[in-house]
Amino acid sequence: GAGVSQSPSNKVTEKGKDVELRCDPISGHTALYWYRQRLGQGLEFLIYFQGNSAPDKSGLPSDRFSAERTGESVSTLTIQRTQQEDSAVYLCASSLLRTVRREKLFFGSGTQLSVL
Amino acid sequence: AQTVTQSQPEMSVQEAETVTLSCTYDTSENNYYLFWYKQPPSRQMILVIRQEAYKQQNATENRFSVNFQKAAKSFSLKISDSQLGDTAMYFCAFMKRRGGGTASKLTFGTGTRLQVTL
Repeated sequence: GAGVSQSPSNKVTEKGKDVELRCDPISGHTALYWYRQRLGQGLEFLIYFQGNSAPDKSGLPSDRFSAERTGESVSTLTIQRTQQEDSAVYLCASSLLRTVRREKLFFGSGTQLSVL
Repeated sequence: AQTVTQSQPEMSVQEAETVTLSCTYDTSENNYYLFWYKQPPSRQMILVIRQEAYKQQNATENRFSVNFQKAAKSFSLKISDSQLGDTAMYFCAFMKRRGGGTASKLTFGTGTRLQVTL
């Protein structure tokens, strides 16, 4: 596709329910990142997929959060038993994972998650 | 761990004027990269400018330039000839340099909301 695509654009759920957020990176991009942006805050790193290497999960806030990526394609971020504190915009970004001199992250428009 | 601080939650500038956004960071790393990203209401993050820490020369991109002071751990963004389209949130970000110069995760500040007025 022309850019990083995220779906849904907005998601409203009830506390305790599970949600799944989807990210379609730019075709051929080997690196994929998930970030969380709470209202009025900067972006918090969640997880990073780099080709076939083990993902960097150091930013996942709890075991309710998990993410998967098959090869260099779609990624899904799953939040189980959602809490009101999970309300945020979840942003996905992808890149070709070249050297940083040429590195450019392409961001999607995010999923606005609201937990009632 | 790295931290990035943006002490100006909101800034306003008149069209065609110049504005400077502040950013400081804290790290024990010597090799790293610094970035400014713009986030318009569409929520999509757009790279504005990038600085490599080992370079003393300040990066410039058209109307955007930085003042990088490595010893002071300061990285401010100057926007010249401000335009209405510059209205957005601006985030300062830090990336540690990995071996081979490959990318790692970005650490962001909390952002500065810039409003360009007529």
